[in-house]
Amino acid sequence: AQKVTQAQTEISVVEKEDVTLDCVYETRDTTYYLFWYKQPPSGELVFLIRRNSFDEQNEISGRYSWNFQKSTSSFNFTITASQVVDSAVYFCALSEATQGAQKLVFGQGTRLTINP
Amino acid sequence: DTAVSQTPKYLVTQMGNDKSIKCEQNLGHDTMYWYKQDSKKFLKIMFSYNNKELIINETVPNRFSPKSPDKAHLNLHINSLELGDSAVYFCASSPRHRDHGYTFGSGTRLTVV
Repeated sequence: AQKVTQAQTEISVVEKEDVTLDCVYETRDTTYYLFWYKQPPSGELVFLIRRNSFDEQNEISGRYSWNFQKSTSSFNFTITASQVVDSAVYFCALSEATQGAQKLVFGQGTRLTINP
Repeated sequence: DTAVSQTPKYLVTQMGNDKSIKCEQNLGHDTMYWYKQDSKKFLKIMFSYNNKELIINETVPNRFSPKSPDKAHLNLHINSLELGDSAVYFCASSPRHRDHGYTFGSGTRLTVV
């Protein structure tokens, strides 16, 4: 069965610090997709990134960057120069194909607090 | 022009009542889902429909019954509500191909008192 582990339950840093959120996954599929979602205090789920298992290139989007390493089954997320608005719960997820649907298996989430 | 819309946003009801949550998507996606987020923020799939056909049915009490009148709508009906049903319920949709991601609705916070 597929599994996603976010070992860090809560992280608290001071504004402008860099912070890395860890994500480790387990799957037997050779083709899979990994996701990160942000859930701010308002409650909606905001899509951040999707990564194909065949694409191990790191990605950078502004202050956000993602490090995908198949060898260690990890898909870590780094926020550079954190800001108070980055405070949220962040979820890593793995897509499992099931009969024409994509079942997302989520990690437990990491609550990130950025203090001014 | 919201992509995936759920109603209501908040629902407070007494134990034993029956309630429904509605979901509509205007993205032309083939597949729709219901996820439950519990009080510890854990997100887990409940159901998935592909073009009105039920294809994923996780271990969910049969008090929960999804209904998909067409591929743009997936409603969730809950009978005999219990305190433990209190959660945030998210609707989502996705296209057929796996290389496209999900689009989530904004969630419905259900509180059973």
